[in-house]
Amino acid sequence: EDQVTQSPEALRLQEGESSSLNCSYTVSGLRGLFWYRQDPGKGPEFLFTLYSAGEEKEKERLKATLTKKESFLHITAPKPEDSATYLCAAISSGSARQLTFGSGTQLTVLP
Amino acid sequence: DGGITQSPKYLFRKEGQNVTLSCEQNLNHDAMYWYRQDPGQGLRLIYYSQIVNDFQKGDIAEGYSVSREKKESFPLTVTSAQKNPTAFYLCASKSVGANVLTFGAGSRLTVL
Repeated sequence: EDQVTQSPEALRLQEGESSSLNCSYTVSGLRGLFWYRQDPGKGPEFLFTLYSAGEEKEKERLKATLTKKESFLHITAPKPEDSATYLCAAISSGSARQLTFGSGTQLTVLP
Repeated sequence: DGGITQSPKYLFRKEGQNVTLSCEQNLNHDAMYWYRQDPGQGLRLIYYSQIVNDFQKGDIAEGYSVSREKKESFPLTVTSAQKNPTAFYLCASKSVGANVLTFGAGSRLTVL
């Protein structure tokens, strides 16, 4: 059974304090690793897809990286508007092409 | 603008009642999905449909039903058989062959 685990559950940062969110996955044949951002009371918004170990993608203050066992979402010099829940999801060859989601990391950036 | 519209945004239900959540998309996507989100848990798949007039059960289909009579629409009925229906429900869609899901804004169901 595919599993995706995110840590920490919650993270509080001061504005400008860089950090990383972790997503560990155990899947049978990774076909893609996804990061989404979710604001309170809203649906998730797509951020990145990573397909192979060593791949990196960047968008503004966010950079996602992928290894054979985990993915990191690095947040550089965060601003209060980066506060949200960040969801990680994986799709595998053994999952009938359905996503398995982690439980998310709730990020709060204080001014 | 293309997107997914879910309605209602908030819904209250008495025990023993069935309720239907609406999901409409104008993205011309073939596949549509319903997820349930509970605090501290990941999104869990309820039902999905890859083509009109066909749908499959997800991981937690018990107590739910769906229909897919039109490509644009994928309503979810939460029946009285669902023991713990209070949750945030998310509809999503994608093109067949693509991996990225587009989500609606969600519907929050509360059982009184």
